[in-house]
Amino acid sequence: AQSVTQPDIHITVSEGASLELRCNYSYGATPYLFWYVQSPGQGLQLLLKYFSGDTLVQGIKGFEAEFKRSQSSFNLRKPSVHWSDAAEYFCAVASRRQKLVFGTGTRLLVSP
Amino acid sequence: DTEVTQTPKHLVMGMTNKKSLKCEQHMGHRAMYWYKQKAKKPPELMFVYSYEKLSINESVPSRFSPECPNSSLLNLHLHALQPEDSALYLCASSQVPSETQYFGPGTRLLVL
Repeated sequence: AQSVTQPDIHITVSEGASLELRCNYSYGATPYLFWYVQSPGQGLQLLLKYFSGDTLVQGIKGFEAEFKRSQSSFNLRKPSVHWSDAAEYFCAVASRRQKLVFGTGTRLLVSP
Repeated sequence: DTEVTQTPKHLVMGMTNKKSLKCEQHMGHRAMYWYKQKAKKPPELMFVYSYEKLSINESVPSRFSPECPNSSLLNLHLHALQPEDSALYLCASSQVPSETQYFGPGTRLLVL
């Protein structure tokens, strides 16, 4: 069965510093991979997705992610974090059964 | 436009009440989803509608009853809920099943 692991529950980054959020997946076939962001009490906003092709994917708000099949990873990066980026970040993989399987999430805190 | 709307934003109900949550999208998407999200947890899939037919029910208790009156509208009827059903209920839609899901802002439900 497919699964997603986000090993970091919390990450604190200084404003202006770079960010990398880790995501590892388990899936037998070529995965459809997503990163979503959720501000407190809000819905999920799609940051970016990978279906096939170029393994470096650009998303909204200056985020990018790199698909590495050999490492079963899809890490999210941003070169310079803004205070407004503080939120919960979810990595997800889509199965053939229409299900979106989420990781447990990483809470990003941004310090001044 | 990737907007999914949900009403109401907040709902408080007693254990004997009957209420409904509403979700709407006008993107021409043919798959719609209900998720339940508890605090500090990822969303959990409840139901999937594909071309207005229920295609997945994740063993959800019968006190939750979904309905898809047309391709733009998804309802979740609630009856005799328990306090542990208090959560954020998220609706999502996608062009077709297994494609990118777009989420609404959610309904925050409190069962007293």
